[in-house]
Amino acid sequence: DTAVSQTPKYLVTQMGNDKSIKCEQNLGHDTMYWYKQDSKKFLKIMFSYNNKELIINETVPNRFSPKSPDKAHLNLHINSLELGDSAVYFCASSPNKGNGYTFGSGTRLTVV
Amino acid sequence: AQSVTQLGSHVSVSEGALVLLRCNYSSSVPPYLFWYVQYPNQGLQLLLKYTSAATLVKGINGFEAEFKKSETSFHLTKPSAHMSDAAEYFCAVSPTGGGNKLTFGTGTQLKVEL
Repeated sequence: DTAVSQTPKYLVTQMGNDKSIKCEQNLGHDTMYWYKQDSKKFLKIMFSYNNKELIINETVPNRFSPKSPDKAHLNLHINSLELGDSAVYFCASSPNKGNGYTFGSGTRLTVV
Repeated sequence: AQSVTQLGSHVSVSEGALVLLRCNYSSSVPPYLFWYVQYPNQGLQLLLKYTSAATLVKGINGFEAEFKKSETSFHLTKPSAHMSDAAEYFCAVSPTGGGNKLTFGTGTQLKVEL
């Protein structure tokens, strides 16, 4: 009964390919997020959805497109993958302010 | 914009010694503050949080942190380190006003030696 689950856990792909990462939460939270963790462990927010509505869209290339079919799911699609996209991508969810986030276990994306 | 600064990217302690990981925040009003731990190849786990109630916050695994407004600090401590505490620790801040965006510090890697 994983609270926030991401698939796949590992993703190795060639430059130029398109790939998707899926995220699902069973906590009943209204808000979901995507974070990118680079090779130096720095965490940066990419997107946030509240009840299927986009509320945070940081400076992220247009090749990245989030999709939220319902409030329990937030998927991340990446077009034309580049070497610099290699990172660990974390999905997270939160109920409301002040409660912090619950994170998934991450998807390690390697672009070769 | 709110931010947190973690002093020391690497901290090494002996098993049984005091753990002190430093975090200072920058915000015009006291924000919400959090500490997360990340074990190798895993996601982030919430250790504890400050949400303007008690200034001394106790978390999981024997960790605690004290909010000091005068010093704009939220340092993480544990009286006695255990080998299993070796991990990456992140301090994070979110606003008490609009939005719930969590902004992380750069992390501190804790090493515990015998």
